[in-house]
Amino acid sequence: GESVGLHLPTLSVQEGDNSIINCAYSNSASDYFIWYKQESGKGPQFIIDIRSNMDKRQGQRVTVLLNKTVKHLSLQIAATQPGDSAVYFCAENGGRVGNEKLTFGTGTRLTIIP
Amino acid sequence: DSGVTQTPKHLITATGQRVTLRCSPRSGDLSVYWYQQSLDQGLQFLIQYYNGEERAKGNILERFSAQQFPDLHSELNLSSLELGDSALYFCASSVGWGEVNTGELFFGEGSRLTVL
Repeated sequence: GESVGLHLPTLSVQEGDNSIINCAYSNSASDYFIWYKQESGKGPQFIIDIRSNMDKRQGQRVTVLLNKTVKHLSLQIAATQPGDSAVYFCAENGGRVGNEKLTFGTGTRLTIIP
Repeated sequence: DSGVTQTPKHLITATGQRVTLRCSPRSGDLSVYWYQQSLDQGLQFLIQYYNGEERAKGNILERFSAQQFPDLHSELNLSSLELGDSALYFCASSVGWGEVNTGELFFGEGSRLTVL
């Protein structure tokens, strides 16, 4: 069956360093991927998305890389700040259209060490 | 602040009981989604409404039901509660439905349900 998983459940990074959060997916039909950030006590917040016709997309301090060959995507956060501490979820659409059909992974908890 | 309001924030109840969770979407959003998040788990899609009509169903139990009212607020009803229903229930909203993947779901802060 399809699944979205993460290589590491937790990640600790020194403030100011770059962080990389990885995500593997199994559904080769997936053509749309999203990263969400969930801070403690809050709902998930959209960070960045990427479609399968791209292998890289940049936002403000964040970059998402997509490797369709190995069904892997990553979220890079540059110059991490304390406010980056959160759980990060990747999600994929399984090749289906519609936001309701997104499959979310279990999340990686990122902790920024001051 | 996402603009999505959920009440109550916390709810403690006993097995067998019934609860109602309420969601007010962002102003102008016609779609409402309900998600369940169990401890250390990802988000499981339950159900989506668009402009008052059910549009998509996920892994929603028969004991659960939802509706969207003419003013676009939505309620998720959970009945015959079991211990395993303890979770965070999130509501999200977006402008449209179904046609496009945008990822731009705006989530509320969730309702934490504890079933004892």
